[in-house]
Amino acid sequence: GAGVSQTPSNKVTEKGKYVELRCDPISGHTALYWYRQSLGQGPEFLIYFQGTGAADDSGLPNDRFFAVRPEGSVSTLKIQRTERGDSAVYLCASSGTGRNNSPLHFGNGTRLTVT
Amino acid sequence: GENVEQHPSTLSVQEGDSAVIKCTYSDSASNYFPWYKQELGKGPQLIIDIRSNVGEKKDQRIAVTLNKTAKHFSLHITETQPEDSAVYFCAATGRVNAGGTSYGKLTFGQGTILTVHP
Repeated sequence: GAGVSQTPSNKVTEKGKYVELRCDPISGHTALYWYRQSLGQGPEFLIYFQGTGAADDSGLPNDRFFAVRPEGSVSTLKIQRTERGDSAVYLCASSGTGRNNSPLHFGNGTRLTVT
Repeated sequence: GENVEQHPSTLSVQEGDSAVIKCTYSDSASNYFPWYKQELGKGPQLIIDIRSNVGEKKDQRIAVTLNKTAKHFSLHITETQPEDSAVYFCAATGRVNAGGTSYGKLTFGQGTILTVHP
C-alpha cells in the first residue's frame, strides 16, 4: 500500500522567504510527526499530532516554525522568514494510533535549501 | 531530556561477517528502542525494535539486545550482505502524554555508516 508521501521532494528558497512542506500520512494513521535531519545527524523531533491537535510541539526551534493538520490527515509544516540554518531534510512520519509506541513509518523527506 | 550515544560512527566489514552497533541512553524511563536503516535519499525504515520488558529479540539475520541496568542496547547483523550497506540509527523513547499513553517522540543516535564489501 501507499506509504507516507511528502511534497515537494526538494525545495530551494531564498533567505527570508516563506515555505510550506506537505505530508500525506498512511491512510487511517491518527498520529503524525515531523522531524528534521541535518547532514550527518540523526532526525530530531519537531512536533507530534494526535488527530487534528498538536499534542507536543516542544521540538519546534522558534516561532518561525508552525504546523497544522486541520482535518486529521494531511499536515503542512510552515516556515516563515527562512534562514540558511533552516536548511535540512524535513521528515514526516505517521503511526497507527500513537499509543504504546506503535512503529513510526517515515516518508522520504523534503530537502530544504535556503540560499 | 534523553540523550542517545551511538558507536561506531563508521563500520566496514567483509560480506558474510557480522556487524555490531552499540548505543547508550541516559533516561532510565525510556522503554522503547527501535533501530532504523536509512538509504541515500530515503527516509529511515524500521528494521527491528525492542521494548524494555525483554532482553533480546531476533528477526532472521538481525538481533537486538537490551541491558536496562547499564542502559545499553545493541544491533547485531549476521551474515552481512552488500545490500545491508546503509546508515543505521538507534533511538529511544519513554515519552507519555497527559493521559499516560506513550508516543513516538524518539531521540536518535548520531548514526553508523555501515559498508559491506563484496
